[in-house]
Amino acid sequence: GAVVSQHPSRVICKSGTSVKIECRSLDFQATTMFWYRQFPKKSLMLMATSNEGSKATYEQGVEKDKFLINHASLTLSTLTVTSAHPEDSSFYICSATGTGAGNTIYFGEGSWLTVV
Amino acid sequence: AQSVTQPDIHITVSEGASLELRCNYSYGATPYLFWYVQSPGQGLQLLLKYFSGDTLVQGIKGFEAEFKRSQSSFNLRKPSVHWSDAAEYFCAVGLNRDDKIIFGKGTRLHILP
Repeated sequence: GAVVSQHPSRVICKSGTSVKIECRSLDFQATTMFWYRQFPKKSLMLMATSNEGSKATYEQGVEKDKFLINHASLTLSTLTVTSAHPEDSSFYICSATGTGAGNTIYFGEGSWLTVV
Repeated sequence: AQSVTQPDIHITVSEGASLELRCNYSYGATPYLFWYVQSPGQGLQLLLKYFSGDTLVQGIKGFEAEFKRSQSSFNLRKPSVHWSDAAEYFCAVGLNRDDKIIFGKGTRLHILP
């Protein structure tokens, strides 16, 4: 099946800094990507939906200015956590679908963010 | 808006015993239903999905699920669990085959030796 890759798999950053997580579709054109957040031992919460070349659509309660999502190409979307705080520490997972994905959504492996 | 309910937070079964994990959904139209498994610290693995057709869906690792429209349910079953099945299981619903997926809160499966 198609592959979606996230990078980095684990990252530690200091409070107040920004950190970027990448989500890449390796063998299909990801016209749509989704970003989820998962707190420890909790479910996955949809943060936003991004369509290539458009502004992301954020779910209610998600801070747009804090979680910047860019989807400038058909193979890459990025999530930037700005001015990170310890409470932003979480597991972030992306998923993608599009041309060549066979009407299927593929998930990345996830990225662990720890803010210290 | 669509939603998913997994009524059991934890389930414990003995190795070799049968398993059923419950899932109820709320959605006005024909739902697209999924079951995912997540091992600790890992990403998601798709076990099976239902889009249309036969209401009994076969998945990987010996899992199956049955879509029951009258009960708004999509329960996951396995006839004989293995210790390696211990993990978190998520039921999910989508608006379409390739639209956003909404997850239930998950059921943690524990296996007794």
